[in-house]
Amino acid sequence: DVQLTQSPPSLSASVGDTVTITCRASQSNTITKYLNWYQQKPMRAPKLLIYAASTLQTGVPSRFSGSGSGTDFTLTISGLQPEDFATYYCQQSHTAPWTFGQGTKVEVK
Amino acid sequence: QVQLQESGPRLVKPSETLSLTCTVSGGSINNYYWNWIRQPPGKGLEWIGFIHYSGTTSYNPSLKSRVTISVDTSKNQVSLNLHSVTAADTAVYYCARVSNYDSNGYPYWCFDLWGRGTLVTVSS
Repeated sequence: DVQLTQSPPSLSASVGDTVTITCRASQSNTITKYLNWYQQKPMRAPKLLIYAASTLQTGVPSRFSGSGSGTDFTLTISGLQPEDFATYYCQQSHTAPWTFGQGTKVEVK
Repeated sequence: QVQLQESGPRLVKPSETLSLTCTVSGGSINNYYWNWIRQPPGKGLEWIGFIHYSGTTSYNPSLKSRVTISVDTSKNQVSLNLHSVTAADTAVYYCARVSNYDSNGYPYWCFDLWGRGTLVTVSS
């Protein structure tokens, strides 16, 4: 299985900050652009933010952006809003079984 | 708008079968891939498997020997059966849709619509 490692596991930030989360795929073979990002709030289902590394899902605010290819990817939140405090997961969709990172919790500083 | 709702027993005994149904409302089950994903309390996400409305399935090898996913297009429902459960199968179970495709018609395998999830506890 493709292992995904997110960093950091958690971070503290303030409203208005720019936050960057990274996701690295384990295998030396590229997962090309097949990397997706989700936001999950407590007791809620995950919500798709970005797919194919950099495509914003319909309805997601433009302060969310994704980049990367191959094995290294980033999710950036530019101008953190109060509703953005949550846990973020990456997921690879290049090689079945589809796998998720362990999550990054964005907390209030 | 399209909504997904998971239903089924919340408590299952060890060694028995966990059975859940995902009902799709506000839209058709056709032309999409339907997935089951689970999340143990306080932990990360694990993809269980998918079914296409045509009946094609694929399962996570870690669970393949115990999982069956089926579809009933007449009822707009997808079902999950997980056999011989243990406490390790205690989790929130989600159904989720795949509907994003590339220009060649290949799914991006990202989950764009999720049910609210249902917590299933395995305990005697």
